[in-house]
Amino acid sequence: NAGVTQTPKFQVLKTGQSMTLQCAQDMNHNSMYWYRQDPGMGLRLIYYSASEGTTDKGEVPNGYNVSRLNKREFSLRLESAAPSQTSVYFCASSYQGTEQYFGPGTRLTVT
Amino acid sequence: AQSVAQPEDQVNVAEGNPLTVKCTYSVSGNPYLFWYVQYPNRGLQFLLKYITGDNLVKGSYGFEAEFNKSQTSFHLKKPSALVSDSALYFCAVRDGGNKLVFGAGTILRVKS
Repeated sequence: NAGVTQTPKFQVLKTGQSMTLQCAQDMNHNSMYWYRQDPGMGLRLIYYSASEGTTDKGEVPNGYNVSRLNKREFSLRLESAAPSQTSVYFCASSYQGTEQYFGPGTRLTVT
Repeated sequence: AQSVAQPEDQVNVAEGNPLTVKCTYSVSGNPYLFWYVQYPNRGLQFLLKYITGDNLVKGSYGFEAEFNKSQTSFHLKKPSALVSDSALYFCAVRDGGNKLVFGAGTILRVKS
């Protein structure tokens, strides 16, 4: 039981490049989330998926897109990376709005 | 909208002493409240939650939290701090459906 896994762990991009962050959970949770964590800002919700087949914007969705590929997988795409997207990205999952379980994070630097 | 506030950026405590990390909340309706811990370069780990029932909630690693409706607070406590408790702590509240809103976090430093 791996819980929530994320790939890659680290990534460096140049401004304008694109990439996809991958997330998978093996806990049969129906809800999945993408957050970014910046110093002094806590965690801010980018997008979430309450159930398979649905996605909704969170607090800071601009510059991002998501895909809920199936019940297990939820990916986050940056189409044209900007330095303001330098952050640590966390994926999480939960069962019907109860406590969320987090992945180890992806540290992204955009130069 | 629901919100939580963590009024202290950092809390310092000596090993063996009791610790308290403060959280206040603002919600419409009944609050669903959570505490998480984050160790350096790691994801957040769930510690405990309050949904309903007893105002004193027990969680992982010897932590507990006291829900106080009149003061709209949900403070995290531990009777005897360990150096290994040093970490970043987040309070969170459920916000409509399946989302959580997090506080800015409190750094806990336990000195030996």
